[in-house]
Amino acid sequence: SQQGEEDPQALSIQEGENATMNCSYKTSINNLQWYRQNSGRGLVHLILIRSNEREKHSGRLRVTLDTSKKSSSLLITASRAADTASYFCATSRAGGSYIPTFGRGTSLIVHP
Amino acid sequence: SQTIHQWPATLVQPVGSPLSLECTVEGTSNPNLYWYRQAAGRGLQLLFYSVGIGQISSEVPQNLSASRPQDRQFILSSKKLLLSDSGFYLCAWSTGTGVGYTFGSGTRLTVV
Repeated sequence: SQQGEEDPQALSIQEGENATMNCSYKTSINNLQWYRQNSGRGLVHLILIRSNEREKHSGRLRVTLDTSKKSSSLLITASRAADTASYFCATSRAGGSYIPTFGRGTSLIVHP
Repeated sequence: SQTIHQWPATLVQPVGSPLSLECTVEGTSNPNLYWYRQAAGRGLQLLFYSVGIGQISSEVPQNLSASRPQDRQFILSSKKLLLSDSGFYLCAWSTGTGVGYTFGSGTRLTVV
């Protein structure tokens, strides 16, 4: 069953704007990861946040985790055309298999 | 540094023909290896994973099989392809904790 679900499914913004994508999940997790996929390519790991963390930063990326709401958000600040890609969250269930379950992704288009 | 190689990049095969996709990892030992399938507009579906040579776990019953003849080699096979086997196949590896997956560049399989 799908554990993480991203929304929106698609997001279209102008270069320089911020992009926010959300991920909701159903069961308690050990950690949550965000990945990026350029069209027709493999996924690239962006950032991991553990269940006892609330916020992490990496360059222009900011990830938050709210375990009470079972949700996470990925914020890309000052977006660039090169940020155009699909973004996936992946969750590992607490007490379950370590293998993460991927959502269906948010397709982000950044217009130059 | 660790690298993952997956080939071929694209493949067009007739229904009923056999399939063999290969994935190799360099620069690490005893990796956990995974095969995923991604249908258009969908998330990643875990097909098989392996924690060691000769150890294969199947997540989805289907006409595909996987083998791990060497520590850093993972092969996805089928004896007879179905139309429904079309999709984007991704190989990945991780350490034993399952965080920070590294993905190959993928194989676009079209069964005609």
